[in-house]
Amino acid sequence: DIQMTQSPSSLSASVGDRVTITCRASQSISTYLNWYQQKPGKAPKVLIYAASSLQSGVPSRFSGSGSGTDFTLTISGLQPEDFATFYCQQTYTAPHTFAQGTKLGSK
Amino acid sequence: QLVESGGGLVQPGGSLRLSCAASGFTFSTYWMSWVRQAPGKGLEWVANIKEDGSEKYYMDSVKGRFAISRDNAKNSLYLQMNSLRAEDTAVYYCARIMIPAGGQWWFDPWGQGTLVTVSS
Repeated sequence: DIQMTQSPSSLSASVGDRVTITCRASQSISTYLNWYQQKPGKAPKVLIYAASSLQSGVPSRFSGSGSGTDFTLTISGLQPEDFATFYCQQTYTAPHTFAQGTKLGSK
Repeated sequence: QLVESGGGLVQPGGSLRLSCAASGFTFSTYWMSWVRQAPGKGLEWVANIKEDGSEKYYMDSVKGRFAISRDNAKNSLYLQMNSLRAEDTAVYYCARIMIPAGGQWWFDPWGQGTLVTVSS
């Protein structure tokens, strides 16, 4: 199975900050990498698919990059509604594993 | 839209069947998935099923205990869970799998989830 690892596990930031979250796969997954945002008590929603494609309706301050084993999610100009937990997921092969998540909190 | 139901409290070793009612899209043309989240923990992929039900994939820890199925005539997805264990306690989400022509896969949308608690 492909293992997914995110870093950091948690971070604190302020409104307006630029935030970067890293995701690493245990083997190459090309660009079969998705990013989800989950707020407390809510279902996850996709932000970025195929490593760098922005889901329709998602603000352009969210961006993704990477291929192979290393990927990043960047939030440029953090907004109050962005505080949440973020997960990366590989869909290169089943099982479609998620990383452990990154909790983004307010500084 | 996806709406899960069927969760609840069940004793260890017991069974439960979850349902996911789909609306607003042509259900029979999409792969579907179940994903779970234990209390305070991260997301864990459980199973996928092909559009016509001919292919199914499971995470190792549920193989032989859980069965994913669908009824395209009823626009419904199911998860039959047998021999339940305390570690199966989680919110279970159903999700549609998007697979456009480019071959990439992602999960969208997700249902609101249904809580399964395995405890004596």
